Amino acid sequence: AQSVAQPEDQVNVAEGNPLTVKCTYSVSGNPYLFWYVQYPNRGLQFLLKYITGDNLVKGSYGFEAEFNKSQTSFHLKKPSALVSDSALYFCAVRLGGTSYGKLTFGQGTILTVHP
Amino acid sequence: DSGVTQTPKHLITATGQRVTLRCSPRSGDLSVYWYQQSLDQGLQFLIQYYNGEERAKGNILERFSAQQFPDLHSELNLSSLELGDSALYFCASSEAVSGNTIYFGEGSWLTVV
Repeated sequence: AQSVAQPEDQVNVAEGNPLTVKCTYSVSGNPYLFWYVQYPNRGLQFLLKYITGDNLVKGSYGFEAEFNKSQTSFHLKKPSALVSDSALYFCAVRLGGTSYGKLTFGQGTILTVHP
Repeated sequence: DSGVTQTPKHLITATGQRVTLRCSPRSGDLSVYWYQQSLDQGLQFLIQYYNGEERAKGNILERFSAQQFPDLHSELNLSSLELGDSALYFCASSEAVSGNTIYFGEGSWLTVV
C-alpha cells in the first residue's frame, strides 16, 4: 500500500519570504514522488518529480523539492514566494518499477501568499 | 494547457440518471487515468487503461465503468447517479507507465441534483 500525508491544511507566508509545503510518504519499495498545483476551477498542473538521482529536484515556477529517504519526506520549497503562488498543492506518490501508474495523493495544502 | 482534453466541462443531472464523460489523452500517450475529486474524499484514483486494456483499478463504484477505445480516447460512464457522486472528475494521461509524468485535464464538473 502507498500513502501520502500533508500535515498542514494551510500554509500562510508573506510575499518575498521562503515557503515550505510539507509532505511525507509511505510506500513498500522505491518511491516516485510528484508535486502538483491546482488553481481555482482549474486542473492539476505538474510542478516537479523525483524518480532517482539527485535528492534536490528543481521544477516549474522556481519551485524545488528535496527527497529525504531516511525521513520519508519530499517537502516543496521556494526561496521567495509570490502572491501568484497562492493555490492548492498536492503531493503524490507511486510505486516505482511497476507496470501500472496509479498515483496516490495527499489531502492537499492551501498556500496563501500575502502581499 | 496539458494537452489532455475533457468534455463536458460542466454538467448537471438528476439522481438516477446516467452520464458519460469523455477524455482525449495527450498526443502519443497510451495510458489514461480517471480520478475523482470531492471535498470529503479528496483525490481518489478510479481506474487506469493502457493501450485499450484495463491496467489498474482503484475505488471505482460498480455503477461506474470506463473504457479506452482504439484511438486511445476514453470514456467514463456513471450510472444510477446519487447526490454523493457530485464531484470533479479528472482524466489524466501518460506516455507509458511507471516513471512517466501524468498530465491532467481541466476536469468535468458533475452536479447531481
